[in-house]
Amino acid sequence: NAGVTQTPKFQVLKTGQSMTLQCAQDMNHEYMSWYRQDPGMGLRLIHYSVGAGITDQGEVPNGYNVSRSTTEDFPLRLLSAAPSQTSVYFCASSDTGTGLAKNIQYFGAGTRLSVL
Amino acid sequence: AQSVSQHNHHVILSEAASLELGCNYSYGGTVNLFWYVQYPGQHLQLLLKYFSGDPLVKGIKGFEAEFIKSKFSFNLRKPSVQWSDTAEYFCAVSRYGQNFVFGPGTRLSVLP
Repeated sequence: NAGVTQTPKFQVLKTGQSMTLQCAQDMNHEYMSWYRQDPGMGLRLIHYSVGAGITDQGEVPNGYNVSRSTTEDFPLRLLSAAPSQTSVYFCASSDTGTGLAKNIQYFGAGTRLSVL
Repeated sequence: AQSVSQHNHHVILSEAASLELGCNYSYGGTVNLFWYVQYPGQHLQLLLKYFSGDPLVKGIKGFEAEFIKSKFSFNLRKPSVQWSDTAEYFCAVSRYGQNFVFGPGTRLSVLP
């Protein structure tokens, strides 16, 4: 059981370049989300999705796009990378609704991104 | 909007000392509460959770947390820490598995 898989693990970009961070989960979770983690700021929500075809903005959405064409995949796109987007990015998924087994968020291993 | 605050940015303890990390949240409705741990170089892992019922919840590795609704708090405790507990600890709040909000994290350093 792979859980939440993120690729790549590391990436270096030049300012202005674009790229897509991949995230896939095999737990059939409806809810998926992207966070960025910066020192002293915890995890900040970028975008999230409550199911295929449905996405919404989180706390820090500017400069990022997402789409959710399938339940399994939730890619994060940087349209024109900026040094301020240097961070560690985590993808997470959870089942939703009620019940003790639900509502637990599972995290991927993270992508460390540097923008020069 | 929901917010989560954690009382300490960095805690330094010696092995066998007791630990208490504070967490307060702002949302007044029904919430789910979590503590996650991030060991150096790793991703976040669930330590324990509270959904309903007994406000004292036990998690993995000897950790426990107490939900005090009147204080909007969910403090994490461990009676005797080990060097292997060195990590960053995040408190989080959500509603029905959505809209997770994380605190800024508390870095715990345990000295051998």
